[in-house]
Amino acid sequence: AQTVTQSQPEMSVQEAETVTLSCTYDTSESDYYLFWYKQPPSRQMILVIRQEAYKQQNATENRFSVNFQKAAKSFSLKISDSQLGDAAMYFCAYRTLPENYGGSQGNLIFGKGTKLSVKP
Amino acid sequence: KAGVTQTPRYLIKTRGQQVTLSCSPISGHRSVSWYQQTPGQGLQFLFEYFSETQRNKGNFPGRFSGRQFSNSRSEMNVSTLELGDSALYLCASSFTGSSGNTIYFGEGSWLTVV
Repeated sequence: AQTVTQSQPEMSVQEAETVTLSCTYDTSESDYYLFWYKQPPSRQMILVIRQEAYKQQNATENRFSVNFQKAAKSFSLKISDSQLGDAAMYFCAYRTLPENYGGSQGNLIFGKGTKLSVKP
Repeated sequence: KAGVTQTPRYLIKTRGQQVTLSCSPISGHRSVSWYQQTPGQGLQFLFEYFSETQRNKGNFPGRFSGRQFSNSRSEMNVSTLELGDSALYLCASSFTGSSGNTIYFGEGSWLTVV
């Protein structure tokens, strides 16, 4: 079974600085998707960034980028120029590819999350 | 384009009662899945529906059930509520097929069992 581990329960960063959140996962599959979701106090899960395992190039979305190391099964999130609005819980998630015959689109397996605080 | 809509947003139930939560996916999305979030267990997958059929199920007791309608809207039901069922229930939808596989979440339904 796949597992996702986030080893940092809490992190803190100064406004405008850079912070990296760690995530490792375990799987025997060769193709899959990885995601980072942000959950602010409103509790809505907001997609931050996604990475397809077959792509070697690391995904980037504005101030957010990932360091995807497939062999090491590592998927860290880097937030540059941190802003107060970045303060939230961040969840790393793994998703398998859709099944051809069973029809499942694949469910998400989440890590326990990292609480990020941003200091002004 | 409207996001994933969940109703009700907040509810309080008594132990032993049953509850039904509703979810309307993003227009065009045919896959709907449900997750339970608690402080102790984190985010856990409940079940997934696609084309009105349950395609995948997490490790939850039979008291948890769901269904999907022809318009892709979904409901989940919890019978004989227990205190431990108090949680945030998140519904998520995704487009099916090769053109995208990102899951989008609703704002959740807060269930408190007293």
